[in-house]
Amino acid sequence: GQNIDQPTEMTATEGAIVQINCTYQTSGFNGLFWYQQHAGEAPTFLSYNVLDGLEEKGRFSSFLSRSKGYSYLLLKELQMKDSASYLCAVREEAAGNKLTFGGGTRVLVKP
Amino acid sequence: KAGVTQTPRYLIKTRGQQVTLSCSPISGHRSVSWYQQTPGQGLQFLFEYFSETQRNKGNFPGRFSGRQFSNSRSEMNVSTLELGDSALYLCASSSGTGGSPLHFGNGTRLTVT
Repeated sequence: GQNIDQPTEMTATEGAIVQINCTYQTSGFNGLFWYQQHAGEAPTFLSYNVLDGLEEKGRFSSFLSRSKGYSYLLLKELQMKDSASYLCAVREEAAGNKLTFGGGTRVLVKP
Repeated sequence: KAGVTQTPRYLIKTRGQQVTLSCSPISGHRSVSWYQQTPGQGLQFLFEYFSETQRNKGNFPGRFSGRQFSNSRSEMNVSTLELGDSALYLCASSSGTGGSPLHFGNGTRLTVT
Protein backbone atom coordinates (compact mmCIF):
# COMPACT_ATOMS: atom_id res chain seq x y z
CA GLY A 1 0.00 0.00 0.00
CA GLN A 2 0.88 3.63 0.03
CA ASN A 3 1.22 6.29 2.70
CA ILE A 4 1.16 9.95 1.74
CA ASP A 5 1.69 12.76 4.22
CA GLN A 6 1.26 16.48 3.80
CA PRO A 7 0.56 19.25 6.31
CA THR A 8 -3.06 19.92 7.10
CA GLU A 9 -3.00 23.67 6.91
CA MET A 10 -0.69 26.59 6.09
CA THR A 11 -1.16 30.33 6.25
CA ALA A 12 0.79 32.88 4.24
CA THR A 13 0.62 36.52 3.24
CA GLU A 14 -0.32 37.85 -0.16
CA GLY A 15 2.80 38.26 -2.29
CA ALA A 16 4.81 35.78 -0.25
CA ILE A 17 6.04 32.26 -1.08
CA VAL A 18 4.68 29.04 0.40
CA GLN A 19 6.15 25.55 0.11
CA ILE A 20 3.89 22.54 0.62
CA ASN A 21 5.73 19.33 1.36
CA CYS A 22 4.56 15.83 0.54
CA THR A 23 6.25 12.61 1.61
CA TYR A 24 5.22 9.23 0.35
CA GLN A 25 5.98 5.55 0.70
CA THR A 26 5.14 3.27 -2.17
CA SER A 27 6.16 -0.11 -3.49
CA GLY A 28 6.47 1.00 -7.10
CA PHE A 29 6.48 4.70 -7.90
CA ASN A 30 5.17 5.86 -11.26
CA GLY A 31 4.58 9.57 -10.93
CA LEU A 32 3.37 12.27 -8.56
CA PHE A 33 0.65 14.81 -9.26
CA TRP A 34 -0.36 18.04 -7.57
CA TYR A 35 -3.92 19.28 -7.74
CA GLN A 36 -5.61 22.44 -6.51
CA GLN A 37 -9.13 22.31 -5.16
CA HIS A 38 -11.19 25.33 -4.22
CA ALA A 39 -14.03 24.76 -1.79
CA GLY A 40 -17.03 23.25 -3.54
CA GLU A 41 -15.18 22.78 -6.81
CA ALA A 42 -13.43 19.98 -8.68
CA PRO A 43 -9.70 19.38 -8.26
CA THR A 44 -7.70 20.95 -11.09
CA PHE A 45 -4.37 19.64 -12.32
CA LEU A 46 -1.29 21.70 -11.45
CA SER A 47 1.79 19.59 -12.11
CA TYR A 48 3.24 16.15 -12.75
CA ASN A 49 6.67 14.82 -11.77
CA VAL A 50 8.06 11.41 -12.60
CA LEU A 51 11.79 12.20 -12.74
CA ASP A 52 13.86 13.89 -10.06
CA GLY A 53 14.08 17.63 -10.28
CA LEU A 54 12.09 20.80 -10.56
CA GLU A 55 9.20 21.49 -12.91
CA GLU A 56 8.27 25.15 -13.23
CA LYS A 57 4.97 26.50 -14.49
CA GLY A 58 4.59 30.20 -13.98
CA ARG A 59 4.09 30.98 -10.31
CA PHE A 60 3.90 27.29 -9.42
CA SER A 61 6.83 24.86 -9.26
CA SER A 62 6.99 21.25 -8.17
CA PHE A 63 10.02 19.28 -7.07
CA LEU A 64 10.56 15.54 -6.75
CA SER A 65 13.18 13.39 -5.09
CA ARG A 66 12.40 9.73 -5.74
CA SER A 67 15.18 8.44 -3.49
CA LYS A 68 13.76 10.42 -0.56
CA GLY A 69 10.10 9.82 -1.35
CA TYR A 70 9.61 13.57 -1.22
CA SER A 71 7.98 16.29 -3.26
CA TYR A 72 7.08 19.89 -2.71
CA LEU A 73 4.84 22.41 -4.42
CA LEU A 74 6.10 25.97 -4.37
CA LEU A 75 3.65 28.81 -4.79
CA LYS A 76 5.28 32.17 -5.50
CA GLU A 77 3.83 35.70 -5.47
CA LEU A 78 0.79 34.45 -3.61
CA GLN A 79 -2.57 35.86 -4.57
CA MET A 80 -5.83 35.75 -2.63
CA LYS A 81 -7.26 33.38 -5.23
CA ASP A 82 -4.56 30.83 -4.29
CA SER A 83 -6.47 30.12 -1.06
CA ALA A 84 -7.47 26.50 -1.65
CA SER A 85 -6.60 22.92 -0.77
CA TYR A 86 -3.57 21.42 -2.49
CA LEU A 87 -3.57 17.68 -3.01
CA CYS A 88 -0.55 15.49 -3.54
CA ALA A 89 -1.27 12.21 -5.35
CA VAL A 90 0.96 9.27 -6.23
CA ARG A 91 0.56 6.67 -8.95
CA GLU A 92 2.06 3.22 -8.65
CA GLU A 93 3.49 1.09 -11.41
CA ALA A 94 0.93 -0.99 -13.30
CA ALA A 95 -1.87 0.86 -11.57
CA GLY A 96 -3.30 2.70 -14.56
CA ASN A 97 -4.96 5.86 -13.34
CA LYS A 98 -5.40 4.75 -9.77
CA LEU A 99 -4.04 7.66 -7.75
CA THR A 100 -3.56 7.64 -4.01
CA PHE A 101 -4.17 11.08 -2.58
CA GLY A 102 -2.82 12.71 0.52
CA GLY A 103 -5.26 14.40 2.83
CA GLY A 104 -4.64 17.79 1.26
CA THR A 105 -3.11 21.00 2.57
CA ARG A 106 -5.44 23.92 3.08
CA VAL A 107 -3.62 27.15 2.25
CA LEU A 108 -5.04 30.41 3.51
CA VAL A 109 -3.67 33.57 1.94
CA LYS A 110 -4.10 36.68 4.06
CA PRO A 111 -3.89 40.27 2.81
CA LYS B 1 -13.35 21.31 -25.61
CA ALA B 2 -16.05 20.44 -23.10
CA GLY B 3 -14.85 19.23 -19.72
CA VAL B 4 -15.93 16.22 -17.71
CA THR B 5 -19.67 16.32 -17.08
CA GLN B 6 -21.30 14.61 -14.14
CA THR B 7 -25.01 14.26 -13.50
CA PRO B 8 -26.83 14.85 -11.31
CA ARG B 9 -25.02 17.50 -9.26
CA TYR B 10 -26.98 16.78 -6.11
CA LEU B 11 -28.88 13.73 -4.94
CA ILE B 12 -30.72 12.87 -1.75
CA LYS B 13 -31.53 9.23 -1.10
CA THR B 14 -32.78 7.12 1.78
CA ARG B 15 -30.91 4.25 3.41
CA GLY B 16 -31.42 1.02 1.53
CA GLN B 17 -32.11 2.64 -1.82
CA GLN B 18 -29.79 2.46 -4.78
CA VAL B 19 -28.37 5.23 -6.93
CA THR B 20 -26.78 5.60 -10.35
CA LEU B 21 -24.38 8.41 -11.17
CA SER B 22 -23.33 9.37 -14.67
CA CYS B 23 -20.11 10.73 -16.12
CA SER B 24 -19.30 11.95 -19.63
CA PRO B 25 -15.53 12.23 -20.16
CA ILE B 26 -13.64 14.74 -22.25
CA SER B 27 -13.96 13.87 -25.92
CA GLY B 28 -11.24 11.43 -26.93
CA HIS B 29 -10.48 10.29 -23.38
CA ARG B 30 -10.81 6.55 -22.95
CA SER B 31 -10.04 6.27 -19.24
CA VAL B 32 -12.65 7.12 -16.64
CA SER B 33 -11.94 6.88 -12.91
CA TRP B 34 -14.26 7.34 -9.97
CA TYR B 35 -13.31 8.74 -6.57
CA GLN B 36 -15.18 9.28 -3.34
CA GLN B 37 -14.37 12.41 -1.34
CA THR B 38 -15.33 12.86 2.30
CA PRO B 39 -14.01 15.26 4.95
CA GLY B 40 -12.66 12.41 7.05
CA GLN B 41 -11.12 10.14 4.41
CA GLY B 42 -10.23 12.59 1.67
CA LEU B 43 -10.16 11.34 -1.92
CA GLN B 44 -10.46 7.57 -2.18
CA PHE B 45 -10.16 5.62 -5.43
CA LEU B 46 -13.19 3.53 -6.37
CA PHE B 47 -12.41 2.09 -9.82
CA GLU B 48 -11.10 2.88 -13.27
CA TYR B 49 -12.48 1.88 -16.65
CA PHE B 50 -10.55 1.90 -19.89
CA SER B 51 -12.11 0.90 -23.18
CA GLU B 52 -15.14 -0.59 -21.41
CA THR B 53 -13.01 -2.78 -19.12
CA GLN B 54 -12.41 -2.30 -15.43
CA ARG B 55 -8.67 -1.75 -15.16
CA ASN B 56 -8.32 -1.11 -11.44
CA LYS B 57 -10.47 -1.38 -8.36
CA GLY B 58 -10.16 0.24 -4.94
CA ASN B 59 -11.05 -1.14 -1.54
CA PHE B 60 -14.77 -0.55 -1.54
CA PRO B 61 -17.50 -3.14 -0.91
CA GLY B 62 -19.28 -4.87 -3.75
CA ARG B 63 -22.23 -2.49 -3.34
CA PHE B 64 -20.18 -0.07 -5.42
CA SER B 65 -20.05 -0.98 -9.08
CA GLY B 66 -19.54 0.70 -12.38
CA ARG B 67 -19.46 0.29 -16.10
CA GLN B 68 -18.27 2.06 -19.20
CA PHE B 69 -20.01 2.27 -22.53
CA SER B 70 -18.55 2.17 -26.02
CA ASN B 71 -18.66 5.98 -26.21
CA SER B 72 -16.52 6.10 -23.00
CA ARG B 73 -19.37 7.44 -20.90
CA SER B 74 -19.43 5.79 -17.50
CA GLU B 75 -21.95 5.08 -14.78
CA MET B 76 -21.43 4.24 -11.16
CA ASN B 77 -24.00 2.42 -9.08
CA VAL B 78 -24.30 2.12 -5.33
CA SER B 79 -26.83 -0.36 -3.99
CA THR B 80 -28.30 -0.68 -0.50
CA LEU B 81 -27.19 2.80 0.46
CA GLU B 82 -25.79 3.44 3.92
CA LEU B 83 -25.47 6.72 5.80
CA GLY B 84 -21.71 6.51 5.41
CA ASP B 85 -22.04 6.63 1.63
CA SER B 86 -22.84 10.33 1.87
CA ALA B 87 -20.00 11.98 -0.02
CA LEU B 88 -18.91 13.87 -3.08
CA TYR B 89 -18.40 11.41 -5.94
CA LEU B 90 -15.91 12.63 -8.49
CA CYS B 91 -15.35 11.29 -11.94
CA ALA B 92 -12.07 11.93 -13.76
CA SER B 93 -11.07 11.25 -17.33
CA SER B 94 -7.73 11.03 -19.02
CA SER B 95 -6.25 9.85 -22.28
CA GLY B 96 -4.85 6.95 -20.26
CA THR B 97 -1.31 7.26 -21.55
CA GLY B 98 1.90 7.95 -19.66
CA GLY B 99 1.77 10.95 -17.35
CA SER B 100 -1.48 12.27 -18.71
CA PRO B 101 -3.30 14.01 -15.86
CA LEU B 102 -6.75 13.25 -14.61
CA HIS B 103 -9.34 15.87 -15.38
CA PHE B 104 -12.10 15.94 -12.79
CA GLY B 105 -15.76 16.73 -13.14
CA ASN B 106 -17.60 18.88 -10.61
CA GLY B 107 -18.90 15.81 -8.85
CA THR B 108 -22.20 14.52 -7.58
CA ARG B 109 -23.00 15.37 -3.98
CA LEU B 110 -24.86 12.37 -2.54
CA THR B 111 -26.67 12.68 0.77
CA VAL B 112 -28.10 9.54 2.35
CA THR B 113 -30.70 10.06 5.06
